[in-house]
Amino acid sequence: AQKVTQAQTEISVVEKEDVTLDCVYETRDTTYYLFWYKQPPSGELVFLIRRNSFDEQNEISGRYSWNFQKSTSSFNFTITASQVVDSAVYFCALSVYTGNQFYFGTGTSLTVIP
Amino acid sequence: GAVVSQHPSRVICKSGTSVKIECRSLDFQATTMFWYRQFPKQSLMLMATSNEGSKATYEQGVEKDKFLINHASLTLSTLTVTSAHPEDSSFYICSAPPGRLAESQETQYFGPGTRLLVL
Repeated sequence: AQKVTQAQTEISVVEKEDVTLDCVYETRDTTYYLFWYKQPPSGELVFLIRRNSFDEQNEISGRYSWNFQKSTSSFNFTITASQVVDSAVYFCALSVYTGNQFYFGTGTSLTVIP
Repeated sequence: GAVVSQHPSRVICKSGTSVKIECRSLDFQATTMFWYRQFPKQSLMLMATSNEGSKATYEQGVEKDKFLINHASLTLSTLTVTSAHPEDSSFYICSAPPGRLAESQETQYFGPGTRLLVL
């Protein structure tokens, strides 16, 4: 069975602070994909990143960075110098093979205070 | 890029009525589409997998007679909430895998969602 855990339900930071959102996953499949999505109040999911199980290379995209560690089954997301526009719910998700269903974590609600 | 649309974006109905939600893949064909439900401040949970030309596959605990899914074409799947009740009020999101996976980092394109409020 697949499972994604986001232990942080809500996080509040002051603008310009760095913040890390944690994600821990469980799967017995050797090939899988990990994702992060942003869900603003409108509800529409905004794709942020996909990571393949065989690629542990960390990635940086502007103020966003992701740390994938298979040894701890974690895929953490860091926002550097947070901005008010970063306020949203962030979901970590797992898919065991391409095109199959997604298993979502419970989400982390991030509030950036100006 | 590929887009998935949903209609309506928001619907309010009276208890006991039926509501149909459409999910369309706009510039690609989707033999499979997924329907998710999200209650306020909760995660997205898969309700069913919609398969073009065949019956949908429902997740455990989802009433197939209440949530009717029809995947009549390669670009359209519909979810009908029959005899809706207030507890069916939720955010419904569909998704579809892109036709050309190698060109996209996204393995699923999500629709913008439909907010259903049953009074």
